Amino acid sequence: AQSVTQLGSHVSVSEGALVLLRCNYSSSVPPYLFWYVQYPNQGLQLLLKYTTGATLVKGINGFEAEFKKSETSFHLTKPSAHMSDAAEYFCAARGDTGRRALTFGSGTRLQVQP
Amino acid sequence: SAVISQKPSRDICQRGTSLTIQCQVDSQVTMMFWYRQQPGQSLTLIATANQGSEATYESGFVIDKFPISRPNLTFSTLTVSNMSPEDSSIYLCSVGDRADGELFFGEGSRLTVL
Repeated sequence: AQSVTQLGSHVSVSEGALVLLRCNYSSSVPPYLFWYVQYPNQGLQLLLKYTTGATLVKGINGFEAEFKKSETSFHLTKPSAHMSDAAEYFCAARGDTGRRALTFGSGTRLQVQP
Repeated sequence: SAVISQKPSRDICQRGTSLTIQCQVDSQVTMMFWYRQQPGQSLTLIATANQGSEATYESGFVIDKFPISRPNLTFSTLTVSNMSPEDSSIYLCSVGDRADGELFFGEGSRLTVL
């Protein structure tokens, strides 16, 4: 069964600092991987996704993630944090082609300090 | 992409009552899913809503507690029956027919049970 692990339920960075949110997956088949962001009292918005091809994926708001098969990882990064990046971030995966729903990680709350 | 509207956006309910949440999509979609997000937690799949047939429930969720209707390709309802405080959660409708598994989410229905 597909599982997604996000290390660190809370991450705090200073404005302008590097953001690194960690995600590892387990899958018996090549996965499709996603990062979603949830702002307070809102639904989920897609940041970026990996399906096939280039392993470095660029998303919205300056975020990017790199698919590393050897490490079963899909960590999310942003070179310089902005106050508006404060939100909950979820990594998700779809590994079983017969199962269309996504499996989500536990989430990481990003705080950005001025 | 798809625009998803959920009603109600939030409600406060009494123990033992039932509440029906509606999900309306602006286009026809085959795959529709209902997720639950308990306070401070990640998203857990409740069921896949199948048009014209019974919903497919995940382990730990049963039809008697969470009956789902899917009368057509743009609409679904989720009922939370005989509510208890443990049912206090955000319930999210999502859709996704893309081959890569990307899901689009409604804003969620925040339910508080007293």
